[in-house]
Amino acid sequence: DIVMTQSPLSLPVTPGEPASISCRSSQSLLYSDGHNYLDWYLQKPGQSPQLLISLGSNRASGVPDRFSGSGSGTDFTLKISRVEAEDVGVYYCMQSLQTRTFGQGTKLEIK
Amino acid sequence: QVQLVQSGAEVKKPGASVKVSCKASGYPFTDYYLHWVRQAPGQGLEWVGGIHPKSGDPQYAPNLQGRASMTRDTSINTAYMELNSLRSDDTAMYYCARYCVSASCYGMDVWGQGTTVTVSS
Repeated sequence: DIVMTQSPLSLPVTPGEPASISCRSSQSLLYSDGHNYLDWYLQKPGQSPQLLISLGSNRASGVPDRFSGSGSGTDFTLKISRVEAEDVGVYYCMQSLQTRTFGQGTKLEIK
Repeated sequence: QVQLVQSGAEVKKPGASVKVSCKASGYPFTDYYLHWVRQAPGQGLEWVGGIHPKSGDPQYAPNLQGRASMTRDTSINTAYMELNSLRSDDTAMYYCARYCVSASCYGMDVWGQGTTVTVSS
């Protein structure tokens, strides 16, 4: 099984400041088609999760451009250029190369 | 609009079975994989399994193989997740999610509202 490891697990951020979340996989998520099978999801308090980024760096429809995904192979990063109050919640990475596995989640809170 | 509507909350005793439904609307049901994800109270997300409505072929998380069963009824655009031999650690919110694979989208792009399953004696 592919194990996903996120850091940090807690992320206090001042509004307007940037934020970064790391996700590492126990094996490469880069497939022979050139895609990295890594998605990012946000679960806001009391809500179902929502898709932010797919295939490592593709923003989902309607996601603000302050969110960006990067990385390849086993190391990936989600960046928020300027955190807003509505970005509070738990962020998860998920691999889809072999079945599916989620990271432990990173809780973003406003300072 | 595209949506997934799940069945209501369930309370079951240990050893019993539960069957949760997920009704799709607003898109061609048989064109998209459907996944199930659960979340124990205060915990993270855990993939349970998935099914392609067209073929009916299921996939299961290794730790649930043998206890989980995923089916669908294409006549009513509904997918089902059944979990047998329930234990207290199966207590969780269960979500269904559409998995989009196309030139314009990829990933679990539409989620149901969640179904609470409580296992308690």
